[in-house]
Amino acid sequence: AQKVTQAQTEISVVEKEDVTLDCVYETRDTTYYLFWYKQPPSGELVFLIRRNSFDEQNEISGRYSWNFQKSTSSFNFTITASQVVDSAVYFCALKGGATNKLIFGTGTLLAVQP
Amino acid sequence: NAGVTQTPKFQVLKTGQSMTLQCAQDMNHNSMYWYRQDPGMGLRLIYYSASEGTTDKGEVPNGYNVSRLNKREFSLRLESAAPSQTSVYFCASSETGPGGHGYTFGSGTRLTVV
Repeated sequence: AQKVTQAQTEISVVEKEDVTLDCVYETRDTTYYLFWYKQPPSGELVFLIRRNSFDEQNEISGRYSWNFQKSTSSFNFTITASQVVDSAVYFCALKGGATNKLIFGTGTLLAVQP
Repeated sequence: NAGVTQTPKFQVLKTGQSMTLQCAQDMNHNSMYWYRQDPGMGLRLIYYSASEGTTDKGEVPNGYNVSRLNKREFSLRLESAAPSQTSVYFCASSETGPGGHGYTFGSGTRLTVV
């Protein structure tokens, strides 16, 4: 069975603080893919990143960075110098290599206060 | 812009009424999906269609039916709506086959059953 756990239900930070969103996954597949999506208050789902199980390199995109560690089955997301516009629900998701089904975590609501 | 189009955006139904949520994509994707999003539950897969002519149950299929009308369109039908089906519904599409194909989501349908 595949599962994604986002233990942090809500996080509140003040603007310019750094914040890390945790994601822990379970899968028996040797090939799998991990995703992060952002859902701003407007409600749409915005793709942020995809990482495959063979690539453990961390990735940085502007203020966003992702730390993938197979040893701990984690794919954490860090926002540096958070901004009010980062306020959203963030979902981590997992897709096994042999399936098209994307399994989502329950999401983390990030509130960035000015 | 290319993408996934869902209609309607909002709907209020009375218990026992039926309705069909429409979804169309213009990206020539083979696979299409219906998810529901509920507070604290993340996104849960209702039904999916790996290719035209095929449909399969997801995690929460009870009370729903789907039709893959053609490659572009994938509809979700509630035959007898219940208050427990109050939710936000998302349609998505993706390429088929092994690989980290990301999903493209529609903007969602907010359904209230009273």
